[in-house]
Amino acid sequence: GAVVSQHPSWVICKSGTSVKIECRSLDFQATTMFWYRQFPKQSLMLMATSNEGSKATYEQGVEKDKFLINHASLTLSTLTVTSAHPEDSSFYICSASRAHGSYEQYFGPGTRLTVT
Amino acid sequence: KNQVEQSPQSLIILEGKNCTLQCNYTVSPFSNLRWYKQDTGRGPVSLTIMTFSENTKSNGRYTATLDADTKQSSLHITASQLSDSASYICVVSPYGGATNKLIFGTGTLLAVQP
Repeated sequence: GAVVSQHPSWVICKSGTSVKIECRSLDFQATTMFWYRQFPKQSLMLMATSNEGSKATYEQGVEKDKFLINHASLTLSTLTVTSAHPEDSSFYICSASRAHGSYEQYFGPGTRLTVT
Repeated sequence: KNQVEQSPQSLIILEGKNCTLQCNYTVSPFSNLRWYKQDTGRGPVSLTIMTFSENTKSNGRYTATLDADTKQSSLHITASQLSDSASYICVVSPYGGATNKLIFGTGTLLAVQP
């Protein structure tokens, strides 16, 4: 149990376009979902935390108008990178928690975004 | 400042050998410490999770230890296999965080060679 999927697993887009990444909890309801970004040879960096039905909380330095997060249901959160630029190329990983205060975050397999 | 440091940064061992990875943290107050395995191009997979009151936890060939007094943890891998080649990340969860924020170490990159 506790499987998190992401779609797509990789995507290439042109500079200036937008791309949407989906994160789904397949066998549990996720009250809270997290979005991370990971650059090569670096650790995961939290971008934002989203609770179902409410606005996401963004970390300092993360532009909320550029990285749009929607958590409309207990099993789906989406991250839309708007007006993507080459510097947005990265590995994006989501995770999901069953409930507030739960120890465990279950990570998705990640999405590789390349902006040309 | 809450930090998690890991050593070594990278490690090469021969298949079948044992190895130990280290994690030091300055997170306070502290709720739990986790070890994750991350294969290249994949998301992290949980290996162990320990609260401050636990000293050791095993998951197959992986054994994690925790000394909450010295704020140190280790991950011991026994009889390594080629498939153990990955990045191993130590992650600490501060106590009292309503949003379950995690503090990540930079990882140890392990290469197991035949």
